[in-house]
Amino acid sequence: NAGVTQTPKFQVLKTGQSMTLQCAQDMNHEYMSWYRQDPGMGLRLIHYSVGAGITDQGEVPNGYNVSRSTTEDFPLRLLSAAPSQTSVYFCASRSGSGQYFGPGTRLTVT
Amino acid sequence: GQNIDQPTEMTATEGAIVQINCTYQTSGFNGLFWYQQHAGEAPTFLSYNVLDGLEEKGRFSSFLSRSKGYSYLLLKELQMKDSASYLCAVRDHETGANNLFFGTGTRLTVIP
Repeated sequence: NAGVTQTPKFQVLKTGQSMTLQCAQDMNHEYMSWYRQDPGMGLRLIHYSVGAGITDQGEVPNGYNVSRSTTEDFPLRLLSAAPSQTSVYFCASRSGSGQYFGPGTRLTVT
Repeated sequence: GQNIDQPTEMTATEGAIVQINCTYQTSGFNGLFWYQQHAGEAPTFLSYNVLDGLEEKGRFSSFLSRSKGYSYLLLKELQMKDSASYLCAVRDHETGANNLFFGTGTRLTVIP
């Protein structure tokens, strides 16, 4: 099992550009989520999904879209990147009491 | 909503014991988690408490008091590799999804 994988590892965007952060898991977990981590702010929940076809907003959803067409994949889309979206993004999946994080994507928006 | 507090930084000596406290307020408490995160890496699961009391796992123990909204993580026989951030997280069932909400983390530095 590869667990939770994320691509890319690093990305630099210009303000206004769009992009998709990829997340995949091979553990057949129904629940997946996206967090961002900023210094002094901790991990904040952006969006989550309790199964294919179902998504919902977390604490800081503005500027991000998600979709869940399969159990395995949960991409995060930045529609028009802003410098405030410079952060480290973690995808996670969960089974029972265990939540597992991907390695993260470090995004810089200039 | 959730309100989770933990100290920002702590320093301890190799071989010693350190206790990292976490207090929380949440409307739909359904468990408390501790994660370890080394710089530049993803958080990794350490422990989980849903009932009051102490859970022990080798050098790591975690305690929960639901009536006080309080937990601590106890690290014994500290090693240099324990230098990391320790994240307290509360699982909340208010939305029905049992989402995990995190405190800002405690950066632990272990010195020789």
